[in-house]
Parts: sequence; structure tokens; C-alpha cells
Amino acid sequence: QKEVEQNSGPLSVPEGAIASLNCTYSDRGSQSFFWYRQYSGKSPELIMSIYSNGDKEDGRFTAQLNKASQYVSLLIRDSQPSDSATYLCAVSKGAGRRALTFGSGTRLQVQP
Amino acid sequence: GAVVSQHPSRVICKSGTSVKIECRSLDFQATTMFWYRQFPKKSLMLMATSNEGSKATYEQGVEKDKFLINHASLTLSTLTVTSAHPEDSSFYICSARDLGDTQYFGPGTRLTVL
Repeated sequence: QKEVEQNSGPLSVPEGAIASLNCTYSDRGSQSFFWYRQYSGKSPELIMSIYSNGDKEDGRFTAQLNKASQYVSLLIRDSQPSDSATYLCAVSKGAGRRALTFGSGTRLQVQP
Repeated sequence: GAVVSQHPSRVICKSGTSVKIECRSLDFQATTMFWYRQFPKKSLMLMATSNEGSKATYEQGVEKDKFLINHASLTLSTLTVTSAHPEDSSFYICSARDLGDTQYFGPGTRLTVL
């Protein structure tokens, strides 16, 4: 079992729709959760971080965390073609020198 | 947000030469930096964790004598690919962690070994 699992996609949604990206993780000791966006040929860009159960909203993005189910998701409202990218879920055990554990990413395609 | 720079952004070298890549945190201090490698259409693979003032911690399968890491200050880490070969051609990305737990990525260095 991979430590962080994501559906590779592609997830295709029409422009203006809500895109829902999901991620599960195996380590119950995980404390910090991140969503990164990566355009082809570019490095990852931080979108959201979430640390406690529930929802966290930032503009068109909402991150949702459920530690009991070991599940974290990212919702993108009013999807735009410019949102087309690979979205990486990353998990950390918290403070210290540990690196993030990344999922393999979900490729999102927003159709104009 | 925090800014991490990498230099060079692109390098082409001959087989057998060494290449140094610099990673800098521009507006924050990073006691820990990370080096990743990414092959086309593949996920990020952690190579090593670079700790300021101490030896780097390498992931399994990564040759420490081939990928030399130096973290000389709180804002600078370097990765040197020694005796590079075509199979080392890849996208190398560094990240720096702030005082919290957030990692910020540099723009990456695309290495092509002829």
C-alpha cells in the first residue's frame, strides 16, 4: 500500500464546474497536509495547507480533512482552463526534519 | 509567500563532468532543505534531506558519493552531480521548509547530460 494515494486521472471537468480531487494516506501519525499544483515542466506550487479536521477555504479552493478516515480532498470551484495541471497531495508527520510524502498526483483537465 | 530560487534553471553538460545546482531561500531561513528528482510524467522522488550544519540524509538507492549535498548556511544548499551520465538527465527540484511545516519549492533545474 502506498503511503499517499491519489487517482492518477485524468479528471476532466467542464469550465465553471467543481473539480473534486481526493487523497488517502496510510500513516495515522500524519499531522500536516498540503496540496500542490504542478504545471507540466514546472515545479510544484503550494495551494493549500490544512492541519485540523474540517474544511479550509481560500478563494476558489477548499481543502477538506478527515483524519478518522485518513482522507483529504481539494475542491476547486468555478474551474478554469488555467487550473488544468497535476495536483499533488502531500503529507507530513509534523515538526522536525522529515520530508513530505507525496502522492503520484491527479491530472486535472478543465474543458473550455 | 516564501521564495526559493534555484540556479541554473537549465544545464547541458558532457558525460563525465560534474554539475553544481544551488538552492536558496530568499526571504526566510531554512534549517532543512530537500532535493527531489522528477523524470518525465513521473512523480517527485525524494533524493535527500539537507540539514544545515550536518550531513545530508539520503534516501535508499541514492548514491551519496554521486550526489554531493552541502548545506553551508540557513539559506543555501547545493547539489553536485558528479561524473554525470545520460541516465542522470532529469528535472532536479529543491524545496525549503520554513519554521512551520510548509515546504516551498524552487523552480527546478533541468539537467541534460549528452
